[in-house]
Amino acid sequence: GESVGLHLPTLSVQEGDNSIINCAYSNSASDYFIWYKQESGKGPQFIIDIRSNMDKRQGQRVTVLLNKTVKHLSLQIAATQPGDSAVYFCAETLIGNTPLVFGKGTRLSVIA
Amino acid sequence: KAGVTQTPRYLIKTRGQQVTLSCSPISGHRSVSWYQQTPGQGLQFLFEYFSETQRNKGNFPGRFSGRQFSNSRSEMNVSTLELGDSALYLCASSAQANTEAFFGQGTRLTVV
Repeated sequence: GESVGLHLPTLSVQEGDNSIINCAYSNSASDYFIWYKQESGKGPQFIIDIRSNMDKRQGQRVTVLLNKTVKHLSLQIAATQPGDSAVYFCAETLIGNTPLVFGKGTRLSVIA
Repeated sequence: KAGVTQTPRYLIKTRGQQVTLSCSPISGHRSVSWYQQTPGQGLQFLFEYFSETQRNKGNFPGRFSGRQFSNSRSEMNVSTLELGDSALYLCASSAQANTEAFFGQGTRLTVV
């Protein structure tokens, strides 16, 4: 089946810098995407979502960008903090038809 | 509002045994999905229930089964446990299928 992938398995950033985590998805029919954060020993935490009729959505310190032309999704974290250290997953689905398909994840390490 | 609750948090079983895991979704959510998370395979979809009906099923053997009750609580069962079933089992709930899906803390199953 089709799956979601990530370009970078690990990312190290300095505290206070901005982080960008990328994701490539393969199903052009997917119309809904979610970013999750997973800390050690915990379940994935919902961060932000975006529907395919949008190309950008902002939350608190986070922005998700969607480029449907190249099937690319990114998560931008502003002013990265030590508490942002975690594994980040993107997930895609076709609403109402398919389950969420997850990428392998990117580990974000914040250097104080 | 209480989040997704999974019980138990940790479980150790012997090969050949069976196990039942429980998930209580967020109040008002009728969709419950189950995922298996392992270091090698990442997050893999098991099945999804909506209003007591299984709507989607992943590529897992028949030893993996589930059900959903009228109060939306869900259980999954794994029979004839194998060492490879050791994983973090995650449950996600949403009001509609897979939109704004929120995860529980997971059940860590170890098969010895």
